Amino acid sequence: GENVEQHPSTLSVQEGDSAVIKCTYSDSASNYFPWYKQELGKGPQLIIDIRSNVGEKKDQRIAVTLNKTAKHFSLHITETQPEDSAVYFCAADSARQLTFGSGTQLTVLP
Amino acid sequence: KAGVTQTPRYLIKTRGQQVTLSCSPISGHRSVSWYQQTPGQGLQFLFEYFSETQRNKGNFPGRFSGRQFSNSRSEMNVSTLELGDSALYLCASSFNSLVNEQYFGPGTRLTVT
Repeated sequence: GENVEQHPSTLSVQEGDSAVIKCTYSDSASNYFPWYKQELGKGPQLIIDIRSNVGEKKDQRIAVTLNKTAKHFSLHITETQPEDSAVYFCAADSARQLTFGSGTQLTVLP
Repeated sequence: KAGVTQTPRYLIKTRGQQVTLSCSPISGHRSVSWYQQTPGQGLQFLFEYFSETQRNKGNFPGRFSGRQFSNSRSEMNVSTLELGDSALYLCASSFNSLVNEQYFGPGTRLTVT
């Protein structure tokens, strides 16, 4: 089955700096790669997703890049703000299931 | 538009008992998926329902089951509870497939003692 590895597990940045979270996947047939943000006591919230026919997608301060050859994708958050502090999960689809990474605790220091 | 709702939000059960959790998807969404979230195993896919049919199932024992009703509301059942079943159970809905935009509910926190 699919294996998704996510790094780093924790990340601290100063407010205004950029944050980058990286994921690798194993199933070359995967086509859908969403990113979720989970705040304490809440369910995950989809923040951006990308499909295999696109190399990069951007939405305001958030961007995702995908390298299908290397089987890795990354989340980039620019101009970080304290409200960006949360746990971020990547995921990849395989056999009509979503497999999630282990999560990254992002802390934005004021 | 109302979001995904899950009931109950918190539940305490004893080993050997069974439990039923409920999920109401966003209006118009026909796909409902269930996930288990634990500190040790992370977020794991349980199953997906679409139009009252289980479309896919993750790697969980048969004690975990679910169903979907004609109004797309879904329930999951865990029988013969074990301590290791303590987790946050999340429901997510999407218009037609979990490989499209999914919206998660707040989850049901199940504690097995």
